[in-house]
Amino acid sequence: DAGVIQSPRHEVTEMGQEVTLRCKPISGHNSLFWYRQTMMRGLELLIYFNNNVPIDDSGMPEDRFSAKMPNASFSTLKIQPSEPRDSAVYFCASSRFGQGGNSPLHFGNGTRLTVT
Amino acid sequence: TQLLEQSPQFLSIQEGENLTVYCNSSSVFSSLQWYRQEPGEGPVLLVTVVTGGEVKKLKRLTFQFGDARKDSSLHITAAQPGDTGLYLCAGGRDSNYQLIWGAGTKLIIKP
Repeated sequence: DAGVIQSPRHEVTEMGQEVTLRCKPISGHNSLFWYRQTMMRGLELLIYFNNNVPIDDSGMPEDRFSAKMPNASFSTLKIQPSEPRDSAVYFCASSRFGQGGNSPLHFGNGTRLTVT
Repeated sequence: TQLLEQSPQFLSIQEGENLTVYCNSSSVFSSLQWYRQEPGEGPVLLVTVVTGGEVKKLKRLTFQFGDARKDSSLHITAAQPGDTGLYLCAGGRDSNYQLIWGAGTKLIIKP
């Protein structure tokens, strides 16, 4: 089990640039989540995919954020244009069936994004 | 709005001491998960409790789910430097995929 793989681990970019974060979930997991973690707000759910279909994107901050899951083994989170307030650690997580109960989340090691 | 409040927010103690971290809510959850997060890594699940009053032990860590399933505690006996990390609780509802996350307790165990 290779775990959830995220890339890049670190991203430093200038305000206004496009940023793309990538995630490979654990094989066999049908649920994928993008989270953002900051000191001020803790862990925030951005978007939830089930069987590659976006189920809930109400956590996406604004239209500058978009996420796709073209197949069961790959997802992207894109920010365009990026702003300094987007600086945070972005986590991808997967699970067999949603969240909670007997379906624990498996997190990647995150992408630390710094927007200057 | 459902909230999970964790306390304390920060705790720094000497190796060998005992400690308890609390996770409280006014809402009922069908399950409560505890995760530990180390610097530069994602959270890793420690345990899931699903029954009111349930107690689970993981070596020196003891987890308890409140009888009313609104609160939980994590007790560490004889803390070790390897226990250092951010401890997060998360409440789940069977009818909803959403997990409600606590803000976390940052624990530092000094040798």
